[in-house]
Amino acid sequence: EIVLTQSPGTLSLSPGERATLSCRTSQSVSGSHLAWYQQKNGQAPRLLIYGASSRATGIPDRFSGSGSRTDFTLTISRLEPEDFAVYYCQHYGSAPSVTFGGGTKVEIK
Amino acid sequence: QVQLVESGGGVVQPGRSLRLSCAASGFSFSTYGMHWVRQAPGKGLEWVAVMWYDGNNTYYADSVKGRFTISRDSSKNTVYLLMNSLRGEDTAIYYCARDRSFFVDFWGQGALVTVSS
Repeated sequence: EIVLTQSPGTLSLSPGERATLSCRTSQSVSGSHLAWYQQKNGQAPRLLIYGASSRATGIPDRFSGSGSRTDFTLTISRLEPEDFAVYYCQHYGSAPSVTFGGGTKVEIK
Repeated sequence: QVQLVESGGGVVQPGRSLRLSCAASGFSFSTYGMHWVRQAPGKGLEWVAVMWYDGNNTYYADSVKGRFTISRDSSKNTVYLLMNSLRGEDTAIYYCARDRSFFVDFWGQGALVTVSS
């Protein structure tokens, strides 16, 4: 089973700052199978990025994804007040099975 | 627009059963696989199960295999999750979500299941 490790656990930043979130997989994976989700308090998750770097419909271009093999990154170029939330990476494996990382909370500093 | 609405959550005693429903609208339900994903209070996301678009293939997380059953009724645009032999650790918000082959794109608002005596 592939394990996804997200870091840091919590990121304390101010609006306007850049956020860099990491997701590492325990084995090399295809970027096509890597996605990122945003979850605000009390809400369902929302798809942000799929295929490691493709933005979902309606997602602002301040959100970008990158990476390959075992190291993937979600970057928020300039934090807006509505971006403070928890972010999860996800791998969709064969079998199939779906694995989520433990999440990174982006909080207001 | 795509909508997924879960129902059937509630409080249930350990060892008992509960069935969740997820009513889909705004898309061609019979052409999409559907997932259930859960989230224990204050915890992260845990994938539970998936059923392929045609209903012929189902897959489960090890934590629920043999206890939970995913099914669908395309005439009602609904996917179900039958949960048997419930345990305290099954307490969570259960989300249904639409499959897009390598990710899920739309999620319902969730149904809370509390397993407690």
